Amino acid sequence: EAQVTQNPRYLITVTGKKLTVTCSQNMNHEYMSWYRQDPGLGLRQIYYSMNVEVTDKGDVPEGYKVSRKEKRNFPLILESPSPNQTSLYFCASSRRRETNEKLFFGSGTQLSVL
Amino acid sequence: QKEVEQDPGPLSVPEGAIVSLNCTYSNSAFQYFMWYRQYSRKGPELLMYTYSSGNKEDGRFTAQVDKSSKYISLFIRDSQPSDSATYLCAMSDSGGGADGLTFGKGTHLIIQP
Repeated sequence: EAQVTQNPRYLITVTGKKLTVTCSQNMNHEYMSWYRQDPGLGLRQIYYSMNVEVTDKGDVPEGYKVSRKEKRNFPLILESPSPNQTSLYFCASSRRRETNEKLFFGSGTQLSVL
Repeated sequence: QKEVEQDPGPLSVPEGAIVSLNCTYSNSAFQYFMWYRQYSRKGPELLMYTYSSGNKEDGRFTAQVDKSSKYISLFIRDSQPSDSATYLCAMSDSGGGADGLTFGKGTHLIIQP
């Protein structure tokens, strides 16, 4: 089954404790992206990657890191999480970067930073 | 300027009703328009995609784009309880890729059985 898999689904952590949210897709997609979704603010892009070893900042990259060493994986790293990073996070992928390519989303990771 | 306005709702209608969901935008450069459906505790899924102006129909769903008014709509005919979800509009200009997508905040739709 074609899918984008994120782990974990739920995560509670404390300020400053480094964490990684994993994302994997099995569709051989070139384009991958991370979003955060907050009430009243909607979906905002954090980082994206057009292919292996090619990443770029989205609208809200501060406090996040990403890497794209393999085509299928695109982990999101929070080096020193803070409470304002409490949010619902989505990974997404598409065949290519073009706007008319369908974006496939994962099921989300609910992160709480205490 | 990246701004898309969408009424958050909730919008509650009886089963079988015609539903109209709308977004307005300010950036006249937007050319690509999408509607995503998001069920509770799930990621968004693409429902409809339209390029430039006009209508597009897919089963019970019709997407309309009026670029002169900077207004897009999604109509759902014969609404079902399974249509209860949050509907997000998204749009992009001609130069941007998927990284240029601007999402609305979503409208929470409730179809009452």
